[in-house]
Amino acid sequence: NAGVMQNPRHLVRRRGQEARLRCSPMKGHSHVYWYRQLPEEGLKFMVYLQKENIIDESGMPKERFSAEFPKEGPSILRIQQVVRGDSAAYFCASSRVSSTHQGTGELFFGEGSRLTVL
Amino acid sequence: RKEVEQDPGPFNVPEGATVAFNCTYSNSASQSFFWYRQDCRKEPKLLMSVYSSGNEDGRFTAQLNRASQYISLLIRDSKLSDSATYLCVDRGAPSGGSYIPTFGRGTSLIVHP
Repeated sequence: NAGVMQNPRHLVRRRGQEARLRCSPMKGHSHVYWYRQLPEEGLKFMVYLQKENIIDESGMPKERFSAEFPKEGPSILRIQQVVRGDSAAYFCASSRVSSTHQGTGELFFGEGSRLTVL
Repeated sequence: RKEVEQDPGPFNVPEGATVAFNCTYSNSASQSFFWYRQDCRKEPKLLMSVYSSGNEDGRFTAQLNRASQYISLLIRDSKLSDSATYLCVDRGAPSGGSYIPTFGRGTSLIVHP
């Protein structure tokens, strides 16, 4: 019963480089959420995806950030041309239920990917 | 996006004390809420769901007050291991067919000997 798997756990990039963060949801989960947590801050919603669909990306910056959740493979959060302000912990969470499914909608989190931009 | 507000603390209490946190939410249409616990530099983990009738799990009790739009968490007989940040979460109301859980910034609890 593997939980939500995120990699890499730690990533260091120089300004202008690209960062790719990967997330494999729990088995049986088809809903993936990405949150960002800046130092001493709360978790901020970025994007919600289901397989092959972006459901809500209202929390994601319009430029440089993109996310996908392909039919096969993990969900990927991509940050192009990173800047120092992108340094943060990026948490992925998965859920089994949808809005039309009865249930509490509990989110299960991965251990996070900590991005440091030099 | 709708907001969830928490007192950041820290709440500094001795072992064995009872401590309570409140959290307010702005989305009057929200139906489901949670308390998560986050240890330093770790991922959030579900502590308990919050039901309209309130719920209790051992030393932890959660209450929901819809009229005033706040949620509470009561911890009795605090243990050193309870030291963590407690996150209040509003699951939200479906918008366009999806729920987007909103997290508060968290309340820091420090339990000392």
